[in-house]
Amino acid sequence: NAGVMQNPRHLVRRRGQEARLRCSPMKGHSHVYWYRQLPEEGLKFMVYLQKENIIDESGMPKERFSAEFPKEGPSILRIQQVVRGDSAAYFCASSPGQIYGYTFGSGTRLTVV
Amino acid sequence: TQLLEQSPQFLSIQEGENLTVYCNSSSVFSSLQWYRQEPGEGPVLLVTVVTGGEVKKLKRLTFQFGDARKDSSLHITAAQPGDTGLYLCAGDAGKSTFGDGTTLTVKP
Repeated sequence: NAGVMQNPRHLVRRRGQEARLRCSPMKGHSHVYWYRQLPEEGLKFMVYLQKENIIDESGMPKERFSAEFPKEGPSILRIQQVVRGDSAAYFCASSPGQIYGYTFGSGTRLTVV
Repeated sequence: TQLLEQSPQFLSIQEGENLTVYCNSSSVFSSLQWYRQEPGEGPVLLVTVVTGGEVKKLKRLTFQFGDARKDSSLHITAAQPGDTGLYLCAGDAGKSTFGDGTTLTVKP
């Protein structure tokens, strides 16, 4: 029973390139959340999705960032035209419903050079 | 915006000591979760508390949810080096708000 799978674990991008981060939730989990974490800080909410729907994207920057959770396949967090300030660890979590705690993936560490 | 404040921010103790870390808010939460995160990994859910005044035990860890459901504490008895990590509290599953965590170091 695989947990939440995120890939890649590490991603290096040059300024101006696009970053695509993938997340496959746990089997049976239909709720997906993306969080961002800077070193020695807590987790900051970005977006909450269910299959084919964005439920809440209030934590996501209006420009350059987008997220999707298609009917088939993993959830994708896409960052266009990356800047150095986008360097962080991005975590995906899933749950079977809103009242449950999360299962987190191991994260994608994005470095923008 | 619901804010969670965790204290202390950093805690370094010797193996065998007891400790308590706190999670406080001015907001009422329907539930509160505690997670532990190790370097380079994602947080792992330890417990969910739902009822005001609830106490849950997980081996040497004791979690308490305040009567007013605005605060929580985590008490560790006889800490071990394996308890080292970042302890995070989060309020309300479903777009959870996370505190900034307590970094615990247990020295052998």
